[in-house]
Amino acid sequence: AQSVAQPEDQVNVAEGNPLTVKCTYSVSGNPYLFWYVQYPNRGLQFLLKYITGDNLVKGSYGFEAEFNKSQTSFHLKKPSALVSDSALYFCAVRDIGFKTIFGAGTRLFVKA
Amino acid sequence: EAQVTQNPRYLITVTGKKLTVTCSQNMNHEYMSWYRQDPGLGLRQIYYSMNVEVTDKGDVPEGYKVSRKEKRNFPLILESPSPNQTSLYFCASLPLAGGIQETQYFGPGTRLLVL
Repeated sequence: AQSVAQPEDQVNVAEGNPLTVKCTYSVSGNPYLFWYVQYPNRGLQFLLKYITGDNLVKGSYGFEAEFNKSQTSFHLKKPSALVSDSALYFCAVRDIGFKTIFGAGTRLFVKA
Repeated sequence: EAQVTQNPRYLITVTGKKLTVTCSQNMNHEYMSWYRQDPGLGLRQIYYSMNVEVTDKGDVPEGYKVSRKEKRNFPLILESPSPNQTSLYFCASLPLAGGIQETQYFGPGTRLLVL
């Protein structure tokens, strides 16, 4: 069965510092991986995805994610955090039948 | 504007009183899905639909019903709501034509409180 783990409930980082939000997955077959962001009182917004190809995926708002097959990880990164990046981040894996499993979410706090 | 809309956005009801949350998309997407979001649990899929008249259970379907009579609409029905259905609900859609890489589009959410 598919699963997604986000090991950190919360990540705190100072503005201007690099940030990493961790995600590991378990899936049979090829992984189709996604990151979404949720701002307060808003729906989920798509950030980036890995389907195939380069292990480093670039997405919206300066975010990128690194796919690591041997470690079954898909960590979200940004070189320089902004206060406006503070939000709830979800990692998700999709199977060939389009069923999507979401992680529990990681709340990112960026302090000015 | 391409969007997924949900109504109502906020709802307070009492145990046992039937309710419907509507979801509509204007992008001609084949796939639609309902999720509930609970703290510490992320989003869990309730039901999904691959096309008109085709629906299937997700991970937490108990206590919910859906229908897909038209491509654009996918209502979520709670026949007899209970307090454990208090949650934040999201509808989403995606086009199947582009394959597995397509992105889901999410509605703004419906916050439901069952007393």
